[in-house]
Amino acid sequence: GAVVSQHPSRVICKSGTSVKIECRSLDFQATTMFWYRQFPKQSLMLMATSNEGSKATYEQGVEKDKFLINHASLTLSTLTVTSAHPEDSSFYICSARDRAGEKPQHFGDGTRLSIL
Amino acid sequence: DQQVKQNSPSLSVQEGRISILNCDYTNSMFDYFLWYKKYPAEGPTFLISISSIKDKNEDGRFTVFLNKSAKHLSLHIVPSQPGDSAVYFCAATPDRDNYGQNFVFGPGTRLSVLP
Repeated sequence: GAVVSQHPSRVICKSGTSVKIECRSLDFQATTMFWYRQFPKQSLMLMATSNEGSKATYEQGVEKDKFLINHASLTLSTLTVTSAHPEDSSFYICSARDRAGEKPQHFGDGTRLSIL
Repeated sequence: DQQVKQNSPSLSVQEGRISILNCDYTNSMFDYFLWYKKYPAEGPTFLISISSIKDKNEDGRFTVFLNKSAKHLSLHIVPSQPGDSAVYFCAATPDRDNYGQNFVFGPGTRLSVLP
């Protein structure tokens, strides 16, 4: 079964709207969660690393004021795309690393964001 | 500049035969490599990994080979099954104990296993 739940799976909204995406680790605690973006036929690009209780670390070129990340608990991280525009349309995927040991990242099922 | 390359965007294989997916990397600091499988509209699922201290890791039908001198790894699936049809991503990181923060993904190879 899924160990990382991502919600919603699909969002269609008008330009200028802010959209919040949730990422939850279901059966483990994740001190670190990751947010990726995937354009069609391209690879997963790491946007930011979300650390529980502290500020997220953003990759170069990612606007932190545009993509707000909150990691309020050991099982929940949220990504808010503020004032979304059509160029923000993409597939956003979160992942989490099990706190307990050496395990690879578990990915959520992604969120397809379409801005009209 | 792509640090992880998967030069074949797609691959078709007959059911029961071997599927070989290739991955090349340029960063000599990478020392831990992973393969993920992704179905449409789903997140990637971890498949198999290999540390740079090994040259082979096997898990059931899946085997990953690493040639560090050539900066090349490959994923072998034997025998291939129709359910293996998916996009396969190769990923690399320079820090095994902190992987994720420095994950670099390849562009993916779409595998189609024909019945």
